[in-house]
Amino acid sequence: QKEVEQNSGPLSVPEGAIASLNCTYSDRGSQSFFWYRQYSGKSPELIMFIYSNGDKEDGRFTAQLNKASQYVSLLIRDSQPSDSATYLCAVMGTGNQFYFGTGTSLTVIP
Amino acid sequence: DTGVSQDPRHKITKRGQNVTFRCDPISEHNRLYWYRQTLGQGPEFLTYFQNEAQLEKSRLLSDRFSAERPKGSFSTLEIQRTEQGDSAMYLCASSLGGTGAYGYTFGSGTRLTVV
Repeated sequence: QKEVEQNSGPLSVPEGAIASLNCTYSDRGSQSFFWYRQYSGKSPELIMFIYSNGDKEDGRFTAQLNKASQYVSLLIRDSQPSDSATYLCAVMGTGNQFYFGTGTSLTVIP
Repeated sequence: DTGVSQDPRHKITKRGQNVTFRCDPISEHNRLYWYRQTLGQGPEFLTYFQNEAQLEKSRLLSDRFSAERPKGSFSTLEIQRTEQGDSAMYLCASSLGGTGAYGYTFGSGTRLTVV
């Protein structure tokens, strides 16, 4: 069983819509959760982290965490073509390394 | 110091050759990580250092792979007797603090192609 699972997509949304990205993880003891954005051929870029159950908002991005369901999500409001990228969910393991999902490819259609 | 630097950006090598990559972390970051990423996959953990000590190595890190971080500053990752399966993007990341709780900062990566 993979540590972190994401729907690989591709996910397509029209410009201005809300994009919803989902992630589940297997280690119930995980405490820290991260979303990275990765443009094609580039390295991952941290966009949000969340530790507590509930929602955390940062500009157009909202991360949601439900530890009981072992579920993390990322909402992108007012999606822009520049948001088109692969979004990686990462969970911190007990050894302080991150376990990454395979990523969800998002395309925002103008 | 504006970020994590990796060198070279690209490396093409023949199967069986040895290669070495370098990573310079953000200067105040005491933790340094190496990851490997293949097409369509997320980054996979290889190893990490706290200062000069290598604290954890993945089972992915076979005997052909070795990493060092002398003096707790830059790090090198060496692959001996390269195989075609080693072709990947090798990512270095650094973080401040004992838990990496604020996430990593990744370098631009070294893309290795073994022919």
